Amino acid sequence: SQKIEQNSEALNIQEGKTATLTCNYTNYSPAYLQWYRQDPGRGPVFLLLIRENEKEKRKERLKVTFDTTLKQSLFHITASQPADSATYLCALDISGGYNKLIFGAGTRLAVHP
Amino acid sequence: ETGVTQTPRHLVMGMTNKKSLKCEQHLGHNAMYWYKQSAKKPLELMFVYNFKEQTENNSVPSRFSPECPNSSHLFLHLHTLQPEDSALYLCASSQPSGGVDNEQFFGPGTRLTVL
Repeated sequence: SQKIEQNSEALNIQEGKTATLTCNYTNYSPAYLQWYRQDPGRGPVFLLLIRENEKEKRKERLKVTFDTTLKQSLFHITASQPADSATYLCALDISGGYNKLIFGAGTRLAVHP
Repeated sequence: ETGVTQTPRHLVMGMTNKKSLKCEQHLGHNAMYWYKQSAKKPLELMFVYNFKEQTENNSVPSRFSPECPNSSHLFLHLHTLQPEDSALYLCASSQPSGGVDNEQFFGPGTRLTVL
């Protein structure tokens, strides 16, 4: 069955540093991969989508890479701020682009002043 | 606000009760989803509706019964639940399957506790 692993349950970094979160998957070739942010008591909020034929995507301080050979996506937040503290989820499309997603358990990021 | 609302936000029910969760989206989307999020576990997809038709049932027990009367509304009817069904239930919407814009918009969730 499909499996998604996100690195370490929690990641602590200093303000201003770059946070790097990892998403590894097995047993599938997704059409795309998405990253979401979830704050306590709230639903996930979409951040970025990267397709299987794209290597890298950027949006402001966020950067996502996608290596379909390694079956891995990296999510970077540059110049991190305490307001970036949240849980970040990666989600894989397992339906060939038809919106059936499976999610990783998430990585809780804490950015300290 | 994401444009997806859910009511109630919190629900406590006994195992013999019947209750319903409601989701409404104001985004003009035609695909809607129910997810379950338990503590320390990934989001689990439960049901998918496209243009009011159910296109996915992820082996969900029959004590959960979805209903989609139109593209803007989605319900989850609950009956004879078990304590292990206690979780955060999230509704989401998106453009239809196969569309270019595949991001999903989530509601705030209903925190369900089954006693």
